[in-house]
Amino acid sequence: GIQVEQSPPDLILQEGANSTLRCNFSDSVNNLQWFHQNPWGQLINLFYIPSGTKQNGRLSATTVATERYSLLYISSSQTTDSGVYFCAVSLYGNKLVFGAGTILRVKS
Amino acid sequence: GAVVSQHPSWVICKSGTSVKIECRSLDFQATTMFWYRQFPKQSLMLMATSNEGSKATYEQGVEKDKFLINHASLTLSTLTVTSAHPEDSSFYICSARTSGRARVYEQYFGPGTRLTVT
Repeated sequence: GIQVEQSPPDLILQEGANSTLRCNFSDSVNNLQWFHQNPWGQLINLFYIPSGTKQNGRLSATTVATERYSLLYISSSQTTDSGVYFCAVSLYGNKLVFGAGTILRVKS
Repeated sequence: GAVVSQHPSWVICKSGTSVKIECRSLDFQATTMFWYRQFPKQSLMLMATSNEGSKATYEQGVEKDKFLINHASLTLSTLTVTSAHPEDSSFYICSARTSGRARVYEQYFGPGTRLTVT
């Protein structure tokens, strides 16, 4: 099955700093989603991005499907950005395969 | 955006009893719903996939007689943990997906249900 690797596993930032999270996947996919899991456990959809680049405020994401990776950029980080960031992929609506996540802590 | 709700958000039950968790898509029709389990500091583990009107497909190692899933309508799926034991204590999360028209397979997640079995 598809393998998903996320890096780094942990990240500590000072408020205002920028960061890049990476997601590598082992096979062709046509669904890739980035999520933020807040401290209460809710998964918030950040991007649906099987290919290309999207931006939403301080966040942007790029997926290079041919090279099997995706990047999530967080600019001017805020304490509310803290939590776990997951990348998940699937092929043709099959089950989502999640990475292990990146734990982000933003210090004020 | 698409909204998925879960009820209850947390539940405490005694060992041997059954607990039902509801998952609803509030503003769209979900042809497929998924149930996940998450242990502390770990990623999500898919338990089963349910399609409206048909039997759920369980992942390997998940006991279908213990975790009963019913997807009776396009907006409601339920997970019943039968004869719960302390090892069933966990965070259960559902997600919902539309039909995949235009090849869009985005999943939307509920807020989760924290189950504690005493």
